[in-house]
Amino acid sequence: QKEVEQNSGPLSVPEGAIASLNCTYSDRGSQSFFWYRQYSGKSPELIMFIYSNGDKEDGRFTAQLNKASQYVSLLIRDSQPSDSATYLCAVDGNTGNQFYFGTGTSLTVIP
Amino acid sequence: EPEVTQTPSHQVTQMGQEVILRCVPISNHLYFYWYRQILGQKVEFLVSFYNNEISEKSEIFDDQFSVERPDGSNFTLKIRSTKLEDSAMYFCASSGQGSVSLGYGYTFGSGTRLTVV
Repeated sequence: QKEVEQNSGPLSVPEGAIASLNCTYSDRGSQSFFWYRQYSGKSPELIMFIYSNGDKEDGRFTAQLNKASQYVSLLIRDSQPSDSATYLCAVDGNTGNQFYFGTGTSLTVIP
Repeated sequence: EPEVTQTPSHQVTQMGQEVILRCVPISNHLYFYWYRQILGQKVEFLVSFYNNEISEKSEIFDDQFSVERPDGSNFTLKIRSTKLEDSAMYFCASSGQGSVSLGYGYTFGSGTRLTVV
């Protein structure tokens, strides 16, 4: 069973601060890593993906991948109250046909 | 923006009854999935479907589960004899590409909350 681990939180940051969300995964063969946002009672919504070591930036979001350490993170700059949600890390399976999700980190941005 | 539509949004059923959860994937997508999320737990893969057959399934997807694409638009998940532990949010998803390893994420539907009593 492939494991994807995230701190469940809750993580609280003040509005305008940087939120840092972390994820580790067990399978060195994983190639693609995704961050989803899930508001309470809603479906996961894709924020971004990364598959190369290093950083990938998309607006206020930066994903960071370190395959040697089996670690992926998401930074949210200038955090807004609307960013308050659970952030799910997802990793591809062997066949590339499914995701393994972490339990998610609950983020609260305090106005 | 194209959406994956799921009905009903909430289904309450008695233990032992059969339920069918319905999904309308995005029209030009060819790969379809079901996931579930028990309250407070991880989103878990159930099954993937392509070209009118199951391409992959998890250990959760046992004989009580089945999927079908009865026509050109709907994709259904049937649970034959529901158990209390089947209570969860069930998400349908679709993708235009078959491999998430290529960096293609899914579009998830809004989910069906199944409550087994």
